[in-house]
Amino acid sequence: DAGVTQSPTHLIKTRGQQVTLRCSPKSGHDTVSWYQQALGQGPQFIFQYYEEEERQRGNFPDRFSGHQFPNYSSELNVNALLLGDSALYLCASSLNRGTAIYFGEGSWLTVV
Amino acid sequence: AQTVTQSQPEMSVQEAETVTLSCTYDTSESDYYLFWYKQPPSRQMILVIRQEAYKQQNATENRFSVNFQKAAKSFSLKISDSQLGDAAMYFCAYSIPSISSGSARQLTFGSGTQLTVLP
Repeated sequence: DAGVTQSPTHLIKTRGQQVTLRCSPKSGHDTVSWYQQALGQGPQFIFQYYEEEERQRGNFPDRFSGHQFPNYSSELNVNALLLGDSALYLCASSLNRGTAIYFGEGSWLTVV
Repeated sequence: AQTVTQSQPEMSVQEAETVTLSCTYDTSESDYYLFWYKQPPSRQMILVIRQEAYKQQNATENRFSVNFQKAAKSFSLKISDSQLGDAAMYFCAYSIPSISSGSARQLTFGSGTQLTVLP
């Protein structure tokens, strides 16, 4: 049973650039959420996707956008990168009618 | 807004002993979900245990159990027979259910408790 998979594992970007992170949910899961975790802090909710639509959004600027594909996989896009965007980006998947939320190993983004 | 508070930034326990991690939350909702996640140095967030607020019985998963006190808005995690592999950052998290599906929506996390297990 494949768990939540994310790519890339690590990446370094320059301020002002754009980045795309990818996530494949756990087998059978249809809902994907993205979280940002800065060093030494708990994860912060970015947004959640279900049926290819953004269902819920946290307090993040429009520079953060996402997409969900028909196979339930998802992308997180961040435009005009700032140094403060450096963080671990976690993808989480769940069933639309479930309460268990499972996370991937994350994508480490460093903005220089 | 819902908040989750973990008042113990660091805890330590002797191997094979029992330790309890504290968590309190603030909400005006009557129906919600509570979770404990473990984050080892690999940084993957691992679901340890979850509790539905409408259930009076405390959840248990092998050596992990919770003490859910709804009136006090308290949700502590007890780890019995602690093992070296239990060493990690532990996060308490809260979620309200979706009105349409009952599924857990966005998670609100506490600041975490770093657990050290001493051999």
